[in-house]
Amino acid sequence: DTEVTQTPKHLVMGMTNKKSLKCEQHMGHRAMYWYKQKAKKPPELMFVYSYEKLSINESVPSRFSPECPNSSLLNLHLHALQPEDSALYLCASSQGLVRKMAGNTIYFGEGSWLTVV
Amino acid sequence: AQSVAQPEDQVNVAEGNPLTVKCTYSVSGNPYLFWYVQYPNRGLQFLLKYITGDNLVKGSYGFEAEFNKSQTSFHLKKPSALVSDSALYFCAVRDSRGKLIFGQGTTLQVKP
Repeated sequence: DTEVTQTPKHLVMGMTNKKSLKCEQHMGHRAMYWYKQKAKKPPELMFVYSYEKLSINESVPSRFSPECPNSSLLNLHLHALQPEDSALYLCASSQGLVRKMAGNTIYFGEGSWLTVV
Repeated sequence: AQSVAQPEDQVNVAEGNPLTVKCTYSVSGNPYLFWYVQYPNRGLQFLLKYITGDNLVKGSYGFEAEFNKSQTSFHLKKPSALVSDSALYFCAVRDSRGKLIFGQGTTLQVKP
């Protein structure tokens, strides 16, 4: 079983709503990730936090706002989303992004299914 | 730029038969290669990885993968397939920023 926990498992929101996805890991990892995945497609990286600092933003629209309150928690704040943003949102974690640790495994949560209506 | 390719959208095998899911890679420098499996309506589960050392890597659920530098391949294998192995399989390479670059995925269908 994964040690990356995501809530909620399912979320339906209107285009004017504000909601948040939450992620927690207890593996002592210092890098955390948000991915977006459409059905039958590979996950697409959105954001990476390393040691609680945003290190990668893959040109994600500002209606998605990440937050890393501490090394165990990662949030994704959602506002004014579009129907095409409906997808599975995966949180993941790994040991910190030190260059020589690129071989560290990234562990994924079960995901949050988001539907925008 | 780093990339991986999974040439087969779907692989069909009979239960009990050996299975192979193919992956080829293109990287500069040392490759860090991974296999993940995704069961229906679930997240990605890590199966195995190649960092360095022995070219035959053993992983979870009886899976293994063979790293072949000359053919730039990292094929996933299992000696005897189970119906429960039916899932979507992703090969991935990790770049110098730590980003996982995925192949397009291969659906494995194991029939009884």
